[in-house]
Amino acid sequence: ETGVTQSPTHLIKTRGQQVTLRCSSQSGHNTVSWYQQALGQGPQFIFQYYREEENGRGNFPPRFSGLQFPNYSSELNVNALELDDSALYLCASSLAQGSTEAFFGQGTRLTVV
Amino acid sequence: AQSVTQLGSHVSVSEGALVLLRCNYSSSVPPYLFWYVQYPNQGLQLLLKYTSAATLVKGINGFEAEFKKSETSFHLTKPSAHMSDAAEYFCAVIGSNTGNQFYFGTGTSLTVIP
Repeated sequence: ETGVTQSPTHLIKTRGQQVTLRCSSQSGHNTVSWYQQALGQGPQFIFQYYREEENGRGNFPPRFSGLQFPNYSSELNVNALELDDSALYLCASSLAQGSTEAFFGQGTRLTVV
Repeated sequence: AQSVTQLGSHVSVSEGALVLLRCNYSSSVPPYLFWYVQYPNQGLQLLLKYTSAATLVKGINGFEAEFKKSETSFHLTKPSAHMSDAAEYFCAVIGSNTGNQFYFGTGTSLTVIP
């Protein structure tokens, strides 16, 4: 148990729809990162939020967006879903920006049909 | 830029045999290196990490890894494999100038044969 919880655990969406994934960070952690893990691949960095501000972004299009709330929980939003967006989405929380320790949630499995 | 390469997407060992999972890194700055394990339908669990202290790092579940700068390697080992070690293993690196953005390898699937 890492103390990082993600919801939902699974969901199925239709191409073109929008989806929101949620993450509750570990108590006291102010930094949240999101990763996409396609089948058979390692996780790829999407973006990071530190104290409600985006703080670094990977090579993902603008239809991937996020939010961090005052309690440091976070959302990942994906618009105009494509089939290739099917993946496991992982949230990781860290005690502070630049921390070398990250605690991962169990992930949300998104299937786009 | 930081990256890691995991050699061997699949490794099979007999129960009780040595486990060796290979990872080579590329980093323009002194790296922080990690090994994570992922069980089916689960998130990532930290096995161990190297942060420029001792070059031999001991982790959980009997795993250890040795940082070798001359070989740019950070291979994961366990003297005696257990059935419960069957999982996907990921090597990862972060550079000290990129916050804590992780760069993961493509993973090695470990099978333990009874």
